[in-house]
Amino acid sequence: DTGVSQDPRHKITKRGQNVTFRCDPISEHNRLYWYRQTLGQGPEFLTYFQNEAQLEKSRLLSDRFSAERPKGSFSTLEIQRTEQGDSAMYLCASSPGSRVSYEQYFGPGTRLTVT
Amino acid sequence: KQEVTQIPAALSVPEGENLVLNCSFTDSAIYNLQWFRQDPGKGLTSLLLIQSSQREQTSGRLNASLDKSSGRSTLYIAASQPGDSATYLCAVSTGANNLFFGTGTRLTVIP
Repeated sequence: DTGVSQDPRHKITKRGQNVTFRCDPISEHNRLYWYRQTLGQGPEFLTYFQNEAQLEKSRLLSDRFSAERPKGSFSTLEIQRTEQGDSAMYLCASSPGSRVSYEQYFGPGTRLTVT
Repeated sequence: KQEVTQIPAALSVPEGENLVLNCSFTDSAIYNLQWFRQDPGKGLTSLLLIQSSQREQTSGRLNASLDKSSGRSTLYIAASQPGDSATYLCAVSTGANNLFFGTGTRLTVIP
């Protein structure tokens, strides 16, 4: 069990550029979540996958955001035409398939700065 | 919509003191509650998870309690150490989909 990993850890981009983040969940965890955290706030839910199916999307996930989880393994989160308001920490989490706990395990996050 | 509140927003204590962090939530129909620790600029580390049917969980110097009917949870930290300095986040789950987080309590333990 190597934990949830995210890449890159930091990303600085200019307004209007596209960015893509990757998340590798704990192996055999079939649920994967994306959250966004701004300074001084708790994380806010963006979207959730069970295997390769995207089952829920927050209204925070505008048209410029898209997430995928091909083959139910790693996931990518893409932001098109970035805006300064997109600057935040993007957190990925995974949880096992068992209904016992739904405990979520978080990665180290990707910090995005849009200049 | 579930709303989670954490009080206080910040807390500073001398080393060795016992302390309590508070979390309240508006909808008691939760599946579980998790307490996390977050160091500056880092991801979240899960500390304790309490199922809705449980009253408390313990791990080392940490003890978390849950009163679902009143919408409250507390995190008790015994014999605090400077290494405990971090932001502590409370989050509730209504199922498999997502967690609702509070804004956290920033703890500073003074040596």
